[in-house]
Amino acid sequence: KQEVTQIPAALSVPEGENLVLNCSFTDSAIYNLQWFRQDPGKGLTSLLLIQSSQREQTSGRLNASLDKSSGRSTLYIAASQPGDSATYLCAVSNDYKLSFGAGTTVTVRA
Amino acid sequence: GAGVSQSPSNKVTEKGKDVELRCDPISGHTALYWYRQSLGQGLEFLIYFQGNSAPDKSGLPSDRFSAERTGGSVSTLTIQRTQQEDSAVYLCASSTGQVSGNTIYFGEGSWLTVV
Repeated sequence: KQEVTQIPAALSVPEGENLVLNCSFTDSAIYNLQWFRQDPGKGLTSLLLIQSSQREQTSGRLNASLDKSSGRSTLYIAASQPGDSATYLCAVSNDYKLSFGAGTTVTVRA
Repeated sequence: GAGVSQSPSNKVTEKGKDVELRCDPISGHTALYWYRQSLGQGLEFLIYFQGNSAPDKSGLPSDRFSAERTGGSVSTLTIQRTQQEDSAVYLCASSTGQVSGNTIYFGEGSWLTVV
């Protein structure tokens, strides 16, 4: 059974600092890995999708890396802003099913 | 619509009543998923549809839970004889169904409270 772990569970940083969020998974036979953002009381918004053959994906201030062999992914958010405050979840895909981590709740202080 | 639509957005029900939660996926998406998110917990997979078929129902927590999908589009998740432990956010998602390029889009969720 795929187990996904996210560390840390919560993170508070001052505005402008770079964020580093970690995700690890136990079964490396994945199709892809996705990072999502969840705002309080809302659904999930897909941020980045990394295929199993890729090493990283970038979108604006966001960069996600994938090391499938070691079962790790890292989401970097550059120059954080208060609007980046949310819970960030990673999910790995084994065929059609996504297995989620519990998330990292980020607070960016103005 | 442009995104995945779920209704009701909020539902308060008495213990023992049945509830139906509806999901309208993105047009053309063949794959549809139901997940449950309990307070302070991660997302728990419930069921997956490909078209109208449900090849994986393994996540349904008990026989009080059932789901169907008609016309390859709208899906309904039914919870019979609700219990307090059923209180959670029920999230629906859809995707094109192509495995490797499988960006998945979530609705805003149906917040269920059983009192």
